[in-house]
This record gives sequence, C-alpha cells and structure tokens, in this order.
Amino acid sequence: DQQVKQNSPSLSVQEGRISILNCDYTNSMFDYFLWYKKYPAEGPTFLISISSIKDKNEDGRFTVFLNKSAKHLSLHIVPSQPGDSAVYFCAARKLGNTPLVFGKGTRLSVIA
Amino acid sequence: GAVVSQHPSRVICKSGTSVKIECRSLDFQATTMFWYRQFPKKSLMLMATSNEGSKATYEQGVEKDKFLINHASLTLSTLTVTSAHPEDSSFYICSAPGTGDGYTFGSGTRLTVV
Repeated sequence: DQQVKQNSPSLSVQEGRISILNCDYTNSMFDYFLWYKKYPAEGPTFLISISSIKDKNEDGRFTVFLNKSAKHLSLHIVPSQPGDSAVYFCAARKLGNTPLVFGKGTRLSVIA
Repeated sequence: GAVVSQHPSRVICKSGTSVKIECRSLDFQATTMFWYRQFPKKSLMLMATSNEGSKATYEQGVEKDKFLINHASLTLSTLTVTSAHPEDSSFYICSAPGTGDGYTFGSGTRLTVV
C-alpha cells in the first residue's frame, strides 16, 4: 500500500523554463510534506517542506504547493537550471520524530 | 547545519560474512535514527527505527536477526548485516531528525555481496 505516489518516473525540461514535479498521497494524517533531491550513490538532500496547515511555501527558486482536498502536492522550480538535474523524492511524515514515507521519485533532466 | 556521517561509503563482502555500517551525528544529538534501504531505481524503504538506549523497531518483513541495529549513544547508530547474501546487496542510508522539518541523511553505503 503506497501512501506517497509519484506517478511520473521522469521529466525533461529546457533550461530557464519551469519544472513541475507532482506527488499524491493517501494518508490524510500526514502533518508535513517534503521534497528531497538525490544524486546516485548519495543520500537525499532536503529542499523544501510544507506543513499540512499551509497551501504554499516558497524558498528561492523552489515553491511547494499543497492541495489537501485533492491530497496532492507539487514542486515548482523556476527557472530550471542544468544543475537541478537529479532524482526528486516526495516524502511525508507525521508530527514528532516519525519516519519519512517516500514516493518512488521523479528523474528531472534539465536540458541546456 | 545538522550533519550525519555514514561509513563506509561502499563495501564488498563475501557471502556469509557480516558487515557493519556506522552513522554518526556530528554536531547534534540523534536520539532517533531511521535506517532505509534503496533498491535500484526504487524508493527508499524504511527498515527500522532505532532509539538511543532501547531496542530498535523493525518494519514488517525486515528480519531483525539479520539486520542488527544498535544505538548505544546519542551520536552513534550502527546497522550490522549478518551472514550477508547477494540479495542483501543494496544501498543503505541512515537519517536523523535535526532541528528543522527536513531530516538529515547520511551519504549512504553501497553494499555488494559476492
């Protein structure tokens, strides 16, 4: 039973354009949603998070949108840069020191 | 920021031997450590949660006798893969809650059992 789903395994975007990565979840009890960037043979790097009581959080080029009624969140990267090419994982957790539940990841390729 | 140091980064071992993976929190105290496993092109799957000074909690389907977890101090958690087999070959990553919403991950260990 996959609680966090990333249905697009890959995405290609031209440099300078917007990258939109999508994520759906099934567990309405999650309190935080997070995005991580990962390179092969490395640990994930935290990018941005959003609390379940918010609908938008912005940090520089990265913005996360949360639609609780649709159980859907998205990560927008504007403008996209070649260095953004990596696998992006959506994750969710409950309050407290609880484990992260990950989606399967989306491989983003930003083409110069 | 919070840093988790994970060693070794890669290890090759023979079938039947044991391998220990260490994760140290360098600038904060990690009362909790999560251990994940990632198969090629797959998601990170939670294996177990370790809490300092108590027994680890294992996820369903994870053999606690095969994957021994010890969290003896606030800065060190270890995962020992005992009697390793080729199917244990994988990428193992530890993670600890820091001060923010986003947990800190180690750099991962690529285990290859031959």
